[in-house]
Amino acid sequence: GIQVEQSPPDLILQEGANSTLRCNFSDSVNNLQWFHQNPWGQLINLFYIPSGTKQNGRLSATTVATERYSLLYISSSQTTDSGVYFCAVGNNQGGKLIFGQGTELSVKP
Amino acid sequence: GAGVSQTPSNKVTEKGKYVELRCDPISGHTALYWYRQSLGQGPEFLIYFQGTGAADDSGLPNDRFFAVRPEGSVSTLKIQRTERGDSAVYLCASSLSYGNYEQYFGPGTRLTVT
Repeated sequence: GIQVEQSPPDLILQEGANSTLRCNFSDSVNNLQWFHQNPWGQLINLFYIPSGTKQNGRLSATTVATERYSLLYISSSQTTDSGVYFCAVGNNQGGKLIFGQGTELSVKP
Repeated sequence: GAGVSQTPSNKVTEKGKYVELRCDPISGHTALYWYRQSLGQGPEFLIYFQGTGAADDSGLPNDRFFAVRPEGSVSTLKIQRTERGDSAVYLCASSLSYGNYEQYFGPGTRLTVT
């Protein structure tokens, strides 16, 4: 089945810094989502982005489907950005999502 | 509008007992998914429904796990003869329809088997 790799596994930032999180996948996809899992465990939808570029405030994402990767950009990070960021993909094998292992982000004040 | 809801939020049970976990999807969403998340891992797919039927149950770990969605809305995940290895957070998600639609997740049920 499709493999999803996220990097880096851990990231520590000073408040105000920028960061880029990467998601590589091993096969063609027609669904890709980025989530933020907050300290209470809730998965919050950030982007639905099987291809192209989207922006939402301080966050933006780009998926290059032909090269099988997606990037999540966080600018001017805040302490509330802390948590685990997951990339999840789906392909023609139905609607299920395959998740990466996540990037754990810690933003220090 | 209301998001995906799950009950209970926490469940502690003894090894060998039977448990039921409930998921109430977003109104109008016909596809419903169950995932399981162990500590330090990403969620793993268990089963999904399109309407009342289980379209893909390939992620269920064994026959102690079963899920139903009798009226195409609320779903119940049932675990028989629970084992300590079943301890995890069980997440439910829904989407407008089957296939390439954005999935929205509930808050999860934390199951602890003692």
